[in-house]
Amino acid sequence: GAGVSQSPSNKVTEKGKDVELRCDPISGHTALYWYRQSLGQGLEFLIYFQGNSAPDKSGLPSDRFSAERTGGSVSTLTIQRTQQEDSAVYLCASSLGVGETQYFGPGTRLLVL
Amino acid sequence: GENVEQHPSTLSVQEGDSAVIKCTYSDSASNYFPWYKQELGKRPQLIIDIRSNVGEKKDQRIAVTLNKTAKHFSLHITETQPEDSAVYFCAALSGYSTLTFGKGTMLLVSP
Repeated sequence: GAGVSQSPSNKVTEKGKDVELRCDPISGHTALYWYRQSLGQGLEFLIYFQGNSAPDKSGLPSDRFSAERTGGSVSTLTIQRTQQEDSAVYLCASSLGVGETQYFGPGTRLLVL
Repeated sequence: GENVEQHPSTLSVQEGDSAVIKCTYSDSASNYFPWYKQELGKRPQLIIDIRSNVGEKKDQRIAVTLNKTAKHFSLHITETQPEDSAVYFCAALSGYSTLTFGKGTMLLVSP
């Protein structure tokens, strides 16, 4: 079946602009995660959705970052007033449930000029 | 929260040699430990995982060992091949929530 998909694959924006990144999880997966990977670095947890529960936002680096998950499926990560340090690859993952294997999407490469 | 340390950061081996990557974790409640392989420009792909109720798991040339007492786990790749070259990440799941990842090991297998 289809894996996790993300769009856009690449995004170039100017400092101060807002950006929206989209994630389509694997059908039937109740858990969805966003991570950030800076060049040559590991994966930094941002936010986690599980079913209809309130999301775990503990990894969001500032209040410029927010995320929604509509209808328990598609998720959008929004970065407001982008800064150059926001440049990174944003990865989405989904899993059947908590503690299950996470499957990653291809990522969105964000470059803030 | 959980903290995962991964060593070495880079590892160079000759084709056919074995490679070992080690990780330690801090939260004794962690119960799931996956390993991901990430090729350049690609998404992380799960290659093997282990849960805290077993000490070792093998899948062809890849094996993972877990020592819960010492809070460390290791990835073993035997008979390495050039296509094994990639960045490998370990991770630990605690609190029934999110994975904490190590910083990665860049493995280079030379022909």
